[in-house]
Amino acid sequence: KAGVTQTPRYLIKTRGQQVTLSCSPISGHRSVSWYQQTPGQGLQFLFEYFSETQRNKGNFPGRFSGRQFSNSRSEMNVSTLELGDSALYLCASRSDTGELFFGEGSRLTVL
Amino acid sequence: EDQVTQSPEALRLQEGESSSLNCSYTVSGLRGLFWYRQDPGKGPEFLFTLYSAGEEKEKERLKATLTKKESFLHITAPKPEDSATYLCALRGGYQKVTFGIGTKLQVIP
Repeated sequence: KAGVTQTPRYLIKTRGQQVTLSCSPISGHRSVSWYQQTPGQGLQFLFEYFSETQRNKGNFPGRFSGRQFSNSRSEMNVSTLELGDSALYLCASRSDTGELFFGEGSRLTVL
Repeated sequence: EDQVTQSPEALRLQEGESSSLNCSYTVSGLRGLFWYRQDPGKGPEFLFTLYSAGEEKEKERLKATLTKKESFLHITAPKPEDSATYLCALRGGYQKVTFGIGTKLQVIP
């Protein structure tokens, strides 16, 4: 069974640009969550989608947005990038018993 | 608001030296306490789920336990390959999962 796939793995952007990250969950999983991980803050919850609807949202500014498609694939977008947005962005799909299974992450560097 | 606090932040052990990692939490309505292992540059890898006080789970040299306020990850006779960051997380109300900062474990040969 294929795991969670995130693309791209690495990307470099400059301040003011926008970025779109993609996540394909484990087959059969309908819930996708996104997290931002930085060395000092740990994993910070961004949002969760279930059956194309945003079910939960963390405390991030409106520059961070996401969506989920009918095949459960999800994208997150960050507009007007700031230096502080440099982080590892992790996507996780949730099993029926509640466990989160993570992808390898997308490492974003903002210059 | 749900909170997870892990200690210590970093732990250095000699190979074979057993120890425990602590995860204390506050939550309104625990729906699952999770342990993950994360290697540098990788996504977290699921280890265990605990649901109620008194529950224990084991996997190789790792054993997770749960009380009403804390969870422990016991590492018995660790090996260098057990070096990683161990993350504790909980699912409370509204299905949101909250993570601790993690404990960075280094096992020295």
